Amino acid sequence: EAQVTQNPRYLITVTGKKLTVTCSQNMNHEYMSWYRQDPGLGLRQIYYSMNVEVTDKGDVPEGYKVSRKEKRNFPLILESPSPNQTSLYFCASSFQGGELFFGEGSRLTVL
Amino acid sequence: AQSVTQLDSQVPVFEEAPVELRCNYSSSVSVYLFWYVQYPNQGLQLLLKYLSGSTLVKGINGFEAEFNKSQTSFHLRKPSVHISDTAEYFCAVGGNTGKLIFGQGTTLQVKP
Repeated sequence: EAQVTQNPRYLITVTGKKLTVTCSQNMNHEYMSWYRQDPGLGLRQIYYSMNVEVTDKGDVPEGYKVSRKEKRNFPLILESPSPNQTSLYFCASSFQGGELFFGEGSRLTVL
Repeated sequence: AQSVTQLDSQVPVFEEAPVELRCNYSSSVSVYLFWYVQYPNQGLQLLLKYLSGSTLVKGINGFEAEFNKSQTSFHLRKPSVHISDTAEYFCAVGGNTGKLIFGQGTTLQVKP
């Protein structure tokens, strides 16, 4: 089954404790992206990747890192999480110019 | 730069009534337009998309949207809604790079 898989789905952590949210897709998509969803703000792009080893900042990249060492994986790294990064995070992938396929979301709470 | 404005944050409607969710976009280049739906505690699912061709686009679950270039709009419509259509709906604009810009979302509340 074609899908985008994120882990963990739910996470509660404390300020400053590094964490990684994994994302994997099995559709051989070149393009992958991370969004955060906050009430009243819709989805805002954090980082995106056009292909392996090619990443770029989206609209709200501060406090996040990404890597794209393999085509299927695009992890999101929070080196030192802060409470303002409490949010619902979505990973998505697509062929360039095509529709985005979304993961189920990862709800992160930073205390 | 591209941007999307969804004109209503919440739309309450009775079951079996028609509904229109409004979306306006801004772009200096050719656009691709999308509507996504998000059911509670789930990810986003594509409802329909406009890439080129006919301006009236039909999607899943009986939804349709019309691309209006002169008014820079892409409103979503359904002639008769069901309780199960209660969800949040997002309009998005993109180009050929893959990046999508999303609107703020519209919550559709279908009442019995």
